[in-house]
Amino acid sequence: GESVGLHLPTLSVQEGDNSIINCAYSNSASDYFIWYKQESGKGPQFIIDIRSNMDKRQGQRVTVLLNKTVKHLSLQIAATQPGDSAVYFCAERYGNKLVFGAGTILRVKS
Amino acid sequence: EAQVTQNPRYLITVTGKKLTVTCSQNMNHEYMSWYRQDPGLGLRQIYYSMNVEVTDKGDVPEGYKVSRKEKRNFPLILESPSPNQTSLYFCASSPRGGTNTEAFFGQGTRLTVV
Repeated sequence: GESVGLHLPTLSVQEGDNSIINCAYSNSASDYFIWYKQESGKGPQFIIDIRSNMDKRQGQRVTVLLNKTVKHLSLQIAATQPGDSAVYFCAERYGNKLVFGAGTILRVKS
Repeated sequence: EAQVTQNPRYLITVTGKKLTVTCSQNMNHEYMSWYRQDPGLGLRQIYYSMNVEVTDKGDVPEGYKVSRKEKRNFPLILESPSPNQTSLYFCASSPRGGTNTEAFFGQGTRLTVV
């Protein structure tokens, strides 16, 4: 599949452990944030989102935390599974634009 | 099935030969956009469209054109491709832009300009 992971930070975790992927965003005026997962050869897939008036949101096995003071976003994946292996992107929306971070590779070891 | 469809999936072309990458969505979404993805840089927005006949530049619009004559289609046009436009391209759509919506992405188009 296509390689988009050149020189990206990589997080390696053991199957069953929890994963935390971090993202620093750039614009203090951003009011909406999204995490995407991209598997090899596929387009990004929505995981979870959060508005700027919240600091935490939970989904199924995933939690997003937002710290506006330091412009930091994190994605927590509980009980990481081999199928979670992918590149993860955060994105911030301001106005009509969606701006993506460079991505983090998550590798799950069985 | 709700989807965003791009064609072609793979394309090799020569410098200067005009090409069009098509994008179609079947979800009646108003907002559509094009991104390019390069190693280590994430996705960068090229152009977006808020609705029919409404388009605007993203962060890297140079060398690209788009049109939005119908709601479902948003083609990306490279009038005179150059090697620095070799990239992986994604089309995306959302029900509305600028609000709390997720984006649905196509499968991508791998373009090589030689």
